[in-house]
Amino acid sequence: DSGVTQTPKHLITATGQRVTLRCSPRSGDLSVYWYQQSLDQGLQFLIQYYNGEERAKGNILERFSAQQFPDLHSELNLSSLELGDSALYFCASSPRGGAGAKNIQYFGAGTRLSVL
Amino acid sequence: DQQVKQNSPSLSVQEGRISILNCDYTNSMFDYFLWYKKYPAEGPTFLISISSIKDKNEDGRFTVFLNKSAKHLSLHIVPSQPGDSAVYFCAASARNFNKFYFGSGTKLNVKP
Repeated sequence: DSGVTQTPKHLITATGQRVTLRCSPRSGDLSVYWYQQSLDQGLQFLIQYYNGEERAKGNILERFSAQQFPDLHSELNLSSLELGDSALYFCASSPRGGAGAKNIQYFGAGTRLSVL
Repeated sequence: DQQVKQNSPSLSVQEGRISILNCDYTNSMFDYFLWYKKYPAEGPTFLISISSIKDKNEDGRFTVFLNKSAKHLSLHIVPSQPGDSAVYFCAASARNFNKFYFGSGTKLNVKP
């Protein structure tokens, strides 16, 4: 158990809808990262928050947004969903904000999103 | 832009033999590299890392080798066990970066 909790585990929805994925980081971790893994693809970095503020942005679509709340949990909002958004969405947390040594990311089990 | 590449989608090895997983990168700024292991229905878990000031790091059955001139790293598992069957991701970053770049993963199957 990594200590990172993601809910829900599975989500099935229709095109055009909006969903919210939730992530609770490990106790004490200030950074939260969101990744997307499509079929047979690697982990595509979407966005990082550190202590409530956006720290880094990756290939995140404009239809997607995220935030980190004062209690450090994070939500990823996906709107106007398309078939191609079907993927595994992972959240990870780490103690610090950088991506160097001693700032290993711990991953949740993921949310599997199916857009029909 | 795929700055970290794992060109072998899958690898099959007999139990007890060595497994060698490879990873190539393009950004010469990268100075920190990690390997993650992922089982089905679970998130990736950290396995081993290496800093660019070293060319080898060992942890039990797992050894990571870094060849900076070739921009290549590899993960050796000796001896391989059936429980090592998983998808392995390599990742890279740099001191001033705020994110890791992940490869597409190699699925290792260790046959009993």
